[in-house]
Amino acid sequence: DAKTTQPTSMDCAEGRAANLPCNHSTISGNEYVYWYRQIHSQGPQYIIHGLKNNETNEMASLIITEDRKSSTLILPHATLRDTAVYYCIDLRSGNTGKLIFGQGTTLQVKP
Amino acid sequence: EAQVTQNPRYLITVTGKKLTVTCSQNMNHEYMSWYRQDPGLGLRQIYYSMNVEVTDKGDVPEGYKVSRKEKRNFPLILESPSPNQTSLYFCASSLPPQQGWSGELFFGEGSRLTVL
Repeated sequence: DAKTTQPTSMDCAEGRAANLPCNHSTISGNEYVYWYRQIHSQGPQYIIHGLKNNETNEMASLIITEDRKSSTLILPHATLRDTAVYYCIDLRSGNTGKLIFGQGTTLQVKP
Repeated sequence: EAQVTQNPRYLITVTGKKLTVTCSQNMNHEYMSWYRQDPGLGLRQIYYSMNVEVTDKGDVPEGYKVSRKEKRNFPLILESPSPNQTSLYFCASSLPPQQGWSGELFFGEGSRLTVL
């Protein structure tokens, strides 16, 4: 089962920031958190990842709490094209190659 | 162009007729994996392979087989398909997802399979 939990769905107004939370309460000290998104029925696309510090790239920002038990993906100015399912995942301990996506959060950006 | 190619993209078949969904990547990735996606259930991992001749079960391996004889190919085999295997299938590849992994998992375009 997925080690991360996310809300099933969220709405966001176009142009506003979208903040997508993820709980990963059982994460280990050396496990990264990775975020992906899936638009319609295309293959998921990597967005960003982080370990402890906040991260930012051209697509999004990632805020990780100090205790590392949760994180928030931020899309600073959501557009209609950001409507997608967003997945937060972590690697299972032991680097076994099991990458569990779970159900993700369906983000609906509205005009 | 770096890509993961799946074939067929669409297939309608009947119960019990063996089929293979091929997956090929041109990025020299060690790691490859298969997922299925069903409404309300998200992406579920079927099998994965950390390198040639090394495969392991994901969360939903029942009814599927895989092989990894070459680095670039990772076919998914349904020996005796059943209607509950009707789904959207994705193949993915990357460098090994070990500590410090960049996270860039490259996905194919998906194969929509219907078993009647």
